[in-house]
Amino acid sequence: DTGVSQNPRHKITKRGQNVTFRCDPISEHNRLYWYRQTLGQGPEFLTYFQNEAQLEKSRLLSDRFSAERPKGSFSTLEIQRTEQGDSAMYLCASSLYPGAGNQPQHFGDGTRLSIL
Amino acid sequence: AQSVAQPEDQVNVAEGNPLTVKCTYSVSGNPYLFWYVQYPNRGLQFLLKYITGDNLVKGSYGFEAEFNKSQTSFHLKKPSALVSDSALYFCAVRDVQAGTALIFGKGTTLSVSS
Repeated sequence: DTGVSQNPRHKITKRGQNVTFRCDPISEHNRLYWYRQTLGQGPEFLTYFQNEAQLEKSRLLSDRFSAERPKGSFSTLEIQRTEQGDSAMYLCASSLYPGAGNQPQHFGDGTRLSIL
Repeated sequence: AQSVAQPEDQVNVAEGNPLTVKCTYSVSGNPYLFWYVQYPNRGLQFLLKYITGDNLVKGSYGFEAEFNKSQTSFHLKKPSALVSDSALYFCAVRDVQAGTALIFGKGTTLSVSS
């Protein structure tokens, strides 16, 4: 049983560069979520997909951020023109909806982004 | 607005003693409540959830949590702590009427000494 997979695990880049992260959810899960976690804080919701449709976006998701899930399987999160404040752990989660009961979200190990 | 409060940044307990990690929440509708654990440089691992029914919920690794609607609390408990339980614990809430996003607390670091 493979869990949620995120790549890369770490990304170091210079301010102003673009970065892209990938998330492969648990295979049968139709919902996929992106969260951001900064040091000393809990994860904060960014956006989620049901299959290929992006159904909800947080106000945290500025216009420099874009997420896609083109075939309803893996997802990518791109940050354009990175800023110091983008340094964080980016977490992906997936769940099965509706499933039996209220299915929990299962998280990947995250991509840690460091902006120089 | 939805929110979760974990009033203790750190909880220290000796191995073999009972532990409690506190969580209170605020939602406008009915809550779904969750506990997750995070080890260094890892993602979050699901421990347990409360959706409806029995107020005492049992989860993974011997953890349990008690839902108290009048006190809007969902404290995490374990009868006998292990050193390996040392980690960062997050409480999360989802307002059934407000969407699917989880709202997390800031986390509580549990330290179990031998």
